[in-house]
Amino acid sequence: RKEVEQDPGPFNVPEGATVAFNCTYSNSASQSFFWYRQDCRKEPKLLMSVYSSGNEDGRFTAQLNRASQYISLLIRDSKLSDSATYLCVVKTGGGNKLTFGTGTQLKVEL
Amino acid sequence: NAGVTQTPKFQVLKTGQSMTLQCAQDMNHEYMSWYRQDPGMGLRLIHYSVGAGITDQGEVPNGYNVSRSTTEDFPLRLLSAAPSQTSVYFCASSYSTSLAGELFFGEGSRLTVL
Repeated sequence: RKEVEQDPGPFNVPEGATVAFNCTYSNSASQSFFWYRQDCRKEPKLLMSVYSSGNEDGRFTAQLNRASQYISLLIRDSKLSDSATYLCVVKTGGGNKLTFGTGTQLKVEL
Repeated sequence: NAGVTQTPKFQVLKTGQSMTLQCAQDMNHEYMSWYRQDPGMGLRLIHYSVGAGITDQGEVPNGYNVSRSTTEDFPLRLLSAAPSQTSVYFCASSYSTSLAGELFFGEGSRLTVL
């Protein structure tokens, strides 16, 4: 089983739709969780950290479910500019290591 | 704001050649790292450093060397290039050596080994 698993997609949604991605992780000792966004042929950039209590940043909401070992990203009122690949990132243990998922591709269409 | 700067952006090598990918950051970050990104795989850590003079291996270190003589620079050396090293390479830095915070990435270096 991969340490971090994501549905690769693509998720094709119309503008204005709500879309949600899940990411599962295998190590119950994982401590920190992040969502990064990567545009085509560009570098990843931090979208948001994921806190135990859940957190929201504008149209984006991230949640953590430790019991089921997954994190989620919800995007409301999708924009064309949201089209990108969303990477789930998990930090496990005390080492300086982040594990990246392979990413979920989102395409927002007119 | 320069952030993390990588050079070159594109490179073609022949099998057996050596080269160095340069990475520099101007944010005074202690933590620096190199990742490679291949289709269908997540970013994989090659080497990392938590400060000048300190380096350590990541998940896929074979065939690569690093050094950290200054806080700003973290070059990645390919000793004898192989086709399996064809990839996109990203340098990343963070203010947090425990990786509790954001990783800042360079724009990437696309390497093809023939």
